[in-house]
Amino acid sequence: KNQVEQSPQSLIILEGKNCTLQCNYTVSPFSNLRWYKQDTGRGPVSLTIMTFSENTKSNGRYTATLDADTKQSSLHITASQLSDSASYICVVSARGGSQGNLIFGKGTKLSVKP
Amino acid sequence: DGGITQSPKYLFRKEGQNVTLSCEQNLNHDAMYWYRQDPGQGLRLIYYSQIVNDFQKGDIAEGYSVSREKKESFPLTVTSAQKNPTAFYLCASADQGARVGELFFGEGSRLTVL
Repeated sequence: KNQVEQSPQSLIILEGKNCTLQCNYTVSPFSNLRWYKQDTGRGPVSLTIMTFSENTKSNGRYTATLDADTKQSSLHITASQLSDSASYICVVSARGGSQGNLIFGKGTKLSVKP
Repeated sequence: DGGITQSPKYLFRKEGQNVTLSCEQNLNHDAMYWYRQDPGQGLRLIYYSQIVNDFQKGDIAEGYSVSREKKESFPLTVTSAQKNPTAFYLCASADQGARVGELFFGEGSRLTVL
């Protein structure tokens, strides 16, 4: 069964600190992996999309890594800011199948405290 | 500005009533999607459409209906047959289809059944 598991479920860090969020997946065959940021009560916004051949991708203070062999991805946030407080959702797309075939993780809720 | 507009942002409904959520996009995307988000769960696909006048059921289509009469519009009707309609509903669109291309989300509509 195609699944996406994220950890931790929630995380509290102090402003200015770094953190890493994890995403493990069992989706096959793999097409791409995305990370989204979702502020409370808002729609998700894309941070990165990574294909099989990409190991690392950065978007400002956000750096995503992908290990297609172990089927793991991480999202590293550097020098956190209060505005980073949000849920971060990992989404994996499978090759083939229907256009609706995206598997969503449950998200990691990050709280950045002053 | 280009984007996806969902309305209303908040909606209250009495049991037994149908309600329609609006989704309009001016990104010229062919594919549009409706997702449901519940606390502690990943997004679940309700319906999607890859072309005008055609749409496909997602994982949880029961109790919902859609239409795609125009490329820009993909309204979702939550019918009285939906047993637990209280949720946060997200509309999204993609240029090449969600499996390949980036998915753009609206700001969401929160439906509460009284």
